[in-house]
Amino acid sequence: EDQVTQSPEALRLQEGESSSLNCSYTVSGLRGLFWYRQDPGKGPEFLFTLYSAGEEKEKERLKATLTKKESFLHITAPKPEDSATYLCAVQATGSARQLTFGSGTQLTVLP
Amino acid sequence: GAVVSQHPSRVICKSGTSVKIECRSLDFQATTMFWYRQFPKQSLMLMATSNEGSKATYEQGVEKDKFLINHASLTLSTLTVTSAHPEDSSFYICSALAGANTGELFFGEGSRLTVL
Repeated sequence: EDQVTQSPEALRLQEGESSSLNCSYTVSGLRGLFWYRQDPGKGPEFLFTLYSAGEEKEKERLKATLTKKESFLHITAPKPEDSATYLCAVQATGSARQLTFGSGTQLTVLP
Repeated sequence: GAVVSQHPSRVICKSGTSVKIECRSLDFQATTMFWYRQFPKQSLMLMATSNEGSKATYEQGVEKDKFLINHASLTLSTLTVTSAHPEDSSFYICSALAGANTGELFFGEGSRLTVL
């Protein structure tokens, strides 16, 4: 059974204080690892897809990396508007493309 | 990114009534859509996989007679919660597969269902 574990559950940062979120996964065969941002009462907003170990992708202050066992979402010099819950999900090979989600990391950036 | 529209965003109904939620892919065709359910402070749990023109595939523990899914066109899937009860109150989110090769899924804004 595919499993995704995210840590920490919650993270409070001062504005400008860089940090990383962790996503550990076990999957029979990884087709893709996805990062989403979710604001309260909203659907997840797509951020990145990573397909193979060693791959990295960047978007503004966010950078996602992937190894064979985990992914990191690095946040550089965060701003209060980066506050949200960040969700990690895996998509297995041979599946119908559904995603298995982790429980998320709730990020709060204080001004 | 691709746009997925979900309607209504909020609905309040009385126990025993049925509620329909629509999910539309606005700028692409989606042969596959997924319905998720999310409880407060928890992650998304897959309910069912919806394929255009065929019956939905439900996850274990999800009652197919209670949660009716129809995917009649390449841009529209609907979820009907039949004979709703207070325990069905939740946040329902649909997603659409934008590309079978990329596997990228885009999500709707979600529908908050409250059953009184």
